[in-house]
Amino acid sequence: NAGVTQTPKFRILKIGQSMTLQCTQDMNHNYMYWYRQDPGMGLKLIYYSVGAGITDKGEVPNGYNVSRSTTEDFPLRLELAAPSQTSVYFCASSRNRDEAFFGQGTRLTVV
Amino acid sequence: DAKTTQPNSMESNEEEPVHLPCNHSTISGTDYIHWYRQLPSQGPEYVIHGLTSNVNNRMASLAIAEDRKSSTLILHRATLRDAAVYYCILRDRGGGSEKLVFGKGTKLTVNP
Repeated sequence: NAGVTQTPKFRILKIGQSMTLQCTQDMNHNYMYWYRQDPGMGLKLIYYSVGAGITDKGEVPNGYNVSRSTTEDFPLRLELAAPSQTSVYFCASSRNRDEAFFGQGTRLTVV
Repeated sequence: DAKTTQPNSMESNEEEPVHLPCNHSTISGTDYIHWYRQLPSQGPEYVIHGLTSNVNNRMASLAIAEDRKSSTLILHRATLRDAAVYYCILRDRGGGSEKLVFGKGTKLTVNP
């Protein structure tokens, strides 16, 4: 099993551009999460989903959008990128409230 | 949501045991205690979890106080690879928030 796969691994965006961070899992997990981690800081929950068609805001949702049309995929959309969104983004999944599995992260720089 | 409190940092020597404490005085009866760790430049990884009884796995042991208001993650012989930030998180299996929220954790330094 591949587990949780995030693409791309690295990306540089210009201010005002948009992009989608991809996250897919092959464990048939119903829960999925997106986090951001700024340099030297802890993880902040952006959005989460408890199943296809169901999403909810986390701690820091502003500037982001998500969708969950399938169990496997949970893309994170950045509209109008800003320097404050420079961060490492982690996607995770879990079966209900069991242990979560994390992807390797996407390092995003907005210039 | 019930909160956890952990020391900001701890140090250990290689091949010695490490006891990482976590306080959760407002824990509810359906809260499971989960531990994760994040190695440098990696995503977090699950370590162990438990409800009431002490738990062991290949990575660590989890000792839970009888009143469940605190717990301790035990690394039996620390290695340099165990240097990481360790997070103690409560997960409510009985309902409540589905969020998985990380606090600041404890940064463990392992000295050679």
